[in-house]
Amino acid sequence: AQSVTQLGSHVSVSEGALVLLRCNYSSSVPPYLFWYVQYPNQGLQLLLKYTTGATLVKGINGFEAEFKKSETSFHLTKPSAHMSDAAEYFCAVGPRLWGSNYQLIWGAGTKLIIKP
Amino acid sequence: DVKVTQSSRYLVKRTGEKVFLECVQDMDHENMFWYRQDPGLGLRLIYFSYDVKMKEKGDIPEGYSVSREKKERFSLILESASTNQTSMYLCATRKGRLQETQYFGPGTRLLVL
Repeated sequence: AQSVTQLGSHVSVSEGALVLLRCNYSSSVPPYLFWYVQYPNQGLQLLLKYTTGATLVKGINGFEAEFKKSETSFHLTKPSAHMSDAAEYFCAVGPRLWGSNYQLIWGAGTKLIIKP
Repeated sequence: DVKVTQSSRYLVKRTGEKVFLECVQDMDHENMFWYRQDPGLGLRLIYFSYDVKMKEKGDIPEGYSVSREKKERFSLILESASTNQTSMYLCATRKGRLQETQYFGPGTRLLVL
């Protein structure tokens, strides 16, 4: 069965420091991997995704993630945190066979707190 | 840009009431989803629809039903609201295959008293 684990429900970093949000998954097939971000009082929006090809993926707002098959990980990083990065971040993995369709499995989310 | 709108941002209902949450998209996306978001639990799929009048149960369909009479509109119905349905409800759409992006509405925060 597929699963996704986000380590840490809350992560706190100082402004200007490295951001590292962890996502580990289990999948019996080549995975599709996503990071979505939810800013306060908003819906989710896509940060970046890996479906095939280059394992280092760059996204919006300076974020990137690397698919590491041997470690079953897809950690999200940003070299220098900004106050505007304060949000909740969700990792999602697919495909999960559901009836005659495929769906994503979502992580529990990590709230990123930026200290001034 | 894809726009996904939800009928209400905040809703307060009484136990036992029938509740309708509506989602409308302005693009031609086949797939539409209703999720429930609770702290520490992430997003849980309630129902999804891959075409007009087609629907499939997700992980937590109990106490909910859906309707998709038109491609752009996907409604979530709480037949008899209960306090354990107090939550944030998110609608999303996706065009085509699983590896495509999901687009989310702003959410409806429902409080059932």
